[in-house]
Amino acid sequence: EVQLVESGGVVVQPGGSLRLSCAASGFTFTNYSMHWVRQAPGKGLEWVSVVNWDGSHTYYAESVKGRFTIFRDNSRGSLFLQMNSLGAEDSALYYCTKEHYSGWPSIDSWGQGTLVTVSS
Amino acid sequence: QSALTQPASVSGSPGESITISCTGTSSDVGGYNRVSWYQQHPGKAPKLMIYEVSKRPSGVSNRFSGSKSGNTASLTISGLQAEDEGDYYCCSYVGSNHVVFGGGTKLTVL
Repeated sequence: EVQLVESGGVVVQPGGSLRLSCAASGFTFTNYSMHWVRQAPGKGLEWVSVVNWDGSHTYYAESVKGRFTIFRDNSRGSLFLQMNSLGAEDSALYYCTKEHYSGWPSIDSWGQGTLVTVSS
Repeated sequence: QSALTQPASVSGSPGESITISCTGTSSDVGGYNRVSWYQQHPGKAPKLMIYEVSKRPSGVSNRFSGSKSGNTASLTISGLQAEDEGDYYCCSYVGSNHVVFGGGTKLTVL
């Protein structure tokens, strides 16, 4: 069974930094691209970023480009999101997700999310 | 990249069929056969219901079907059941290794 367990979400001040982590298990981690998707409270889904299987290619939504960095540690089956220069608009539940074998934009596994709140 | 356009809400009675539309442009929905649909129940993570416009993942009921015409993709749910109530999101590949979600549609089963 695929399991994705996020951690690292906290309350952080505007302009601050945060690193989210995701521990993956139940599948061959190196076979799949991994994404972060976020959802602000009461709002819709927003794709944030993707990293390919070996970490050599990363892509970002325009709203986070230059501030967020996605990376993975295949030896530990872990996915990360380094978030810098945080603003109120970044407050959301952040989901760690696994791409479906068919590729973008299909995501077949989601964690339960970790909540990031940017507030002074 | 603007979000894809979905109706804010749709409703139907048990046993009926409903369709949720997802309108984009020739640069996203119309340009690729890479549209997915997700179902989300309150407080839960989304679930993949349709991928590549019309394909169903294993385990998803055949009451769910997807299609596309031009720049508009559609999700149809037939034989509506109470458990289908929730939020539905479409998502499309938009090129340059980016994706965009629709704004979401709240389905109410009357």
